Amino acid sequence: QSALTQPASVSGSPGQSITISCTGTSSDVGSYNLVSWYQQHPGKAPKLMIYEVSKRPSGVSNRFSGSKSGNTASLTISGLQAEDEADYYCCSYAGSSSVVFGGGTKLTVL
Amino acid sequence: EVQLVESGGGLVQPGGSLRLSCAASGFTFSSYWMSWVRQAPGKGLEWVANIKQDGSEKYYVDSVKGRFTISRDNAKNSLYLQMNSLRAEDTAVYYCARDAGGDLSFDYWGQGTLVTVSS
Repeated sequence: QSALTQPASVSGSPGQSITISCTGTSSDVGSYNLVSWYQQHPGKAPKLMIYEVSKRPSGVSNRFSGSKSGNTASLTISGLQAEDEADYYCCSYAGSSSVVFGGGTKLTVL
Repeated sequence: EVQLVESGGGLVQPGGSLRLSCAASGFTFSSYWMSWVRQAPGKGLEWVANIKQDGSEKYYVDSVKGRFTISRDNAKNSLYLQMNSLRAEDTAVYYCARDAGGDLSFDYWGQGTLVTVSS
C-alpha cells in the first residue's frame, strides 16, 4: 500500500494546459482502470474531478481530462483558469477493495 | 441534496479511544459502499477503511488494522469509525466519503472532523 507518486508542484499561466502525472505499479494503476482524481482547495473537502481513468462527473468542466498508459495515469487541465489553483490527488484501486492515493500536486496558476 | 456530516473528533491522549460518526442524508445510504479518508495536517489524503452496503465486508489500510473498526447503521443512515490505541500519527482530519458506484471513487465527501492525538 505505497502511495502513488505525483510531482510536488506544477504551474502554468492562464489559458495554458498542464498535465499532472501519477505513477503507480503493476499492482494498482497498471492493473485496473479505476483511477480517480480529486481537486482540493485550502480548508475544503476534496472534489471528484475524474473517475475510471477518464470519465467526468456531471458538472465538472470538460477542461479536465484523464488518461493512463501502463503504470502512469495523467490529469490534463486545458485553458487554465485562476480557480484551478488547488491541490490535486490521484487515487487508484489497489486490490482487495482497498485504494491508494498519490502524495498530491500543488497547482499554481501564474 | 447529498450531505455527509462528521462528528466526534477532538483531542485525545496517546493510547486513547475515539468514535467518529458520519450522518448521511439525501440518498439511499444502504445502497452505497462508504469509506473513511484522513488527511494529516499539511499532508496528503490517505484512505483508512471502507465498508460494504450491508456491513458484511470491511477493509482497512495496514497502519490501522487491529486498532480501528468501521461500522454502519443503515436504519440510522450513519457510518462510524471506532479508533482505539490512538497514536500521534493518527492526528488528522477524518472525512467520510461515498463510493460513487462501486468503483472506489468518492463522489461525495463530508466537511471532515479533526482528531488530535497528543499528551
